[in-house]
Amino acid sequence: DVKVTQSSRYLVKRTGEKVFLECVQDMDHENMFWYRQDPGLGLRLIYFSYDVKMKEKGDIPEGYSVSREKKERFSLILESASTNQTSMYLCASSLLGKLAQPQHFGDGTRLSIL
Amino acid sequence: KNEVEQSPQNLTAQEGEFITINCSYSVGISALHWLQQHPGGGIVSLFMLSSGKKKHGRLIATINIQEKHSSLHITASHPRDSAVYICAGDISNTGNQFYFGTGTSLTVIP
Repeated sequence: DVKVTQSSRYLVKRTGEKVFLECVQDMDHENMFWYRQDPGLGLRLIYFSYDVKMKEKGDIPEGYSVSREKKERFSLILESASTNQTSMYLCASSLLGKLAQPQHFGDGTRLSIL
Repeated sequence: KNEVEQSPQNLTAQEGEFITINCSYSVGISALHWLQQHPGGGIVSLFMLSSGKKKHGRLIATINIQEKHSSLHITASHPRDSAVYICAGDISNTGNQFYFGTGTSLTVIP
């Protein structure tokens, strides 16, 4: 089974801090994703990556950056955390192929910015 | 208007009831996914379908391509089915661009 592991289940940080959320997958997937999930809004894509050192902006990239130095690891960075970034953050991965593929999700990180 | 819409938003059922959750989409998709999210956050992929019907245990997913509509059915519902069910359309054909519904929160009462 695919395992997507997020480094923290719960995280509390202060406004202005630089915050790192880490995600590791163990199935050699090319695609990796960062989403945030807010009540009533569903999952929204922040960034995705289809290869090492490659990244694409999603629907809501403002205030975030990402890093993918190794295929199995995709990091989300909040450059200067703000209270409106309090949310559930979910990482996912999938195979890159010619046919539709499922995405495999981690357990999520519930981030609170005080 | 969202590209993928689900109904109902919330659903409460008695144990043993037959449950249907609906999903409509307005864009062309290569596949429709049904996901389950339990309290605590983790999301599990239940089904990926591009035509017809799939069944796994008590769960059945159907899709009508012409009507751009999919349904998730749960037969003989059980309290452990209580979760948020999310449908997502893949518009990319490579699994890297999903439009997500906002989810249906299901509570099954013993």
